Parts: sequence; C-alpha cells; structure tokens
Amino acid sequence: QVQLQESGPGLVKPSETLSLTCSVSGGSVNSGSYYWSWIRQPPGKGLEWIGYMYNGGSTKYNPSLKNRVTISLDTSMNQFSLKLGSMTAADTAVYYCARVVPVAIEIAWFDPWGQGTLVTVSS
Amino acid sequence: SYVLSQPPSVSVAPGKTAGITCGGNNIGSESVHWYQQKPGQAPVLVIYYNSDRPSGIPERFSGSNSGNTATLTISRVEAGDEADYYCQVWDTNSDHPVFAGGTKLTVL
Repeated sequence: QVQLQESGPGLVKPSETLSLTCSVSGGSVNSGSYYWSWIRQPPGKGLEWIGYMYNGGSTKYNPSLKNRVTISLDTSMNQFSLKLGSMTAADTAVYYCARVVPVAIEIAWFDPWGQGTLVTVSS
Repeated sequence: SYVLSQPPSVSVAPGKTAGITCGGNNIGSESVHWYQQKPGQAPVLVIYYNSDRPSGIPERFSGSNSGNTATLTISRVEAGDEADYYCQVWDTNSDHPVFAGGTKLTVL
C-alpha cells in the first residue's frame, strides 16, 4: 500500500525558509486520482491544513499562509515538497504530508499520512 | 470559511459506548471524515464519507451525520482507543479542507 515519509531539517532559524520533502512509495505522485498535501500540528494543538497540489501542478494554499508557502512535485523522484518562508516561532510544529482522496468536489479525505517530522524554529 | 466544533474531551469507562460529536451549520449536507491520533503518532483515518470504515478499522467504530451534528461512535471501548479524534469536511466554497479542534477521549 501507499506509504509517505517526510524528511528535512528539525531546526530552522527565524526568518529562514523551511524545506521539507515527502517521499511516496507504493504509488505514484503522477496519479491524477489523488491530491498531495501538507498539514501541520503545533505542539499540544490541533491540525492545520497548509496546502495541496493536484492535477500535476495546480496548487491550493491556506489563505493564512499563502504568501509564504510553495508546494511542488518531483515526478522523477516520486516526491513532493514544501517550502515555507519567513519562519517564526509560531511555525514550530510537527509537519505531516498526506495523500488526499478526492471522490467529488466536496468529498475528500486524507489517507494515508506520513509519520510526521518535528520542526523547531529557534536561533 | 466553514467552522466545525468538537468538545475538548470525552470520558468513558471500558466496555461502554463513547460518542464524539462534530458540529457545523447543516453539517448533515456535508461529508464528514474522522481521524484517530494516538500520542506521538500520525493521524489515522477511521471513518470516511460519514459512516464508511477503511479496511483494518474495527467494526466498533461507526459514524452518523444529520442536521447540525455528526457523531463518531465507539462501541465496547478499549484502553487502546484512548486518543485524540478529529473530524474533517471539505469546504466547497473555498475548496479546501477544514478540521475541527479535536476531542481527547479518555478511557477511565
């Protein structure tokens, strides 16, 4: 079955750009049947959707992060990536990648999820 | 943006039935999905499309959705069910997902 695995730095300095990669195995990021998404969870808090990529290159971002976030696809490596700029302490969180299963325009869920990676913003 | 609400916590004795609610304006017309997150682990889909269970999820987990409330029901609760549970819908107007704040299920 499909498995996702995040990778990237665990520590980022304030004002720097976070770069994370999600490696996909058991399936192809080229599949037009799914979207590919990033979600984060600050320590002790709930889930916050960051954005997703679909149709091989289109993107949708959380309006609260839109000016700082970029999601891209690397089909040759079967990966997708997240870049989040101008990091602050408020961006400290566990970052998850997940596959989105879109059944219809208003019906979509996340399955499976990667194990998550903790990113701390500190100088 | 569509807003979802969940009670912060629910407690239940082992062997009993737990109900975790997810409130939203006319949520009965939406498709609701539920995730279980155990401490230190990633969320896992336990119910999709209001009441369907992914393979591997015990039949003890069920879902319903009507009016302004969707409910995740866990029958014959076990200690291993202790976790945070999140409901999620897809906001058609903004074309992005919405998560509720989550409910911590405590097994007494």
